[in-house]
Amino acid sequence: EPEVTQTPSHQVTQMGQEVILRCVPISNHLYFYWYRQILGQKVEFLVSFYNNEISEKSEIFDDQFSVERPDGSNFTLKIRSTKLEDSAMYFCASSEVNPGPYTFGSGTRLTVV
Amino acid sequence: QKEVEQNSGPLSVPEGAIASLNCTYSDRVSQSFFWYRQYSGKSPELIMSIYSNGDKEDGRFTAQLNKASQYVSLLIRDSQPSDSATYLCAVNMYLNTGNQFYFGTGTSLTVIP
Repeated sequence: EPEVTQTPSHQVTQMGQEVILRCVPISNHLYFYWYRQILGQKVEFLVSFYNNEISEKSEIFDDQFSVERPDGSNFTLKIRSTKLEDSAMYFCASSEVNPGPYTFGSGTRLTVV
Repeated sequence: QKEVEQNSGPLSVPEGAIASLNCTYSDRVSQSFFWYRQYSGKSPELIMSIYSNGDKEDGRFTAQLNKASQYVSLLIRDSQPSDSATYLCAVNMYLNTGNQFYFGTGTSLTVIP
C-alpha cells in the first residue's frame, strides 16, 4: 500500500538552530500538508500546499516556518531559529483530492534543547 | 472560532461491548468528516469517512452523521483490546481561500479484556 515517508524519525536540535523535516508524499497525490502534535495535545494544522504554492496556513505557521517542494517527490518543512516550544511530533500528510482523506506519514519527533 | 469538540475520556469498555465516541463541530458548512485512530507515539490512521447524513458501516465500525445537530459519532461493535487507542475526529472547515481539516483533541479508549 502506498505510504507517506518522513525523515528523520527523530531530530534533536539546539535552540536557535534551523531544522529541515523531509517528506515524500504518495506519488499520485496533489495536496500536501504539515501538522504538528505537541505531546498530549491535539493534532494542529500548520500548512497546506498545492500546485507549488501554499494554499492555506494557520496562525502557528509564522515567518519562522517555510515549506518547499524542491523536486518532484520531496516536500520539506523548514523551521528557522527553533524554540523550545517547537518540540513536537510533526506529521506530513497528502491527499488525492481536497477535501479528501489524508494519509499521514509516521512523523518526525523534533526535540529542541 | 473553528472548533471540533470531543470528550477526551478516558472511555473504558469491556471486551465485546459497544464503544460510542462522539464529536461536535462548529462550522455549519462542513461537508467531510473522518475518524482516525492513533496509537500512542504513532501517526493517525484513517478508519472511516462520512459525507452524508445517516449511518455508514464498515465491518465493526459505524459512523453516524447529523449535520443539523453538527454531530458525528463512531460506534465500535464487539470491541477488542487492540481497539485501545485515541480516536480523532477530523472535520473540514472553511478558511478565507479554501478549507482544511481540523482535529478534535481525541477520545482515549481502553478495551478491558
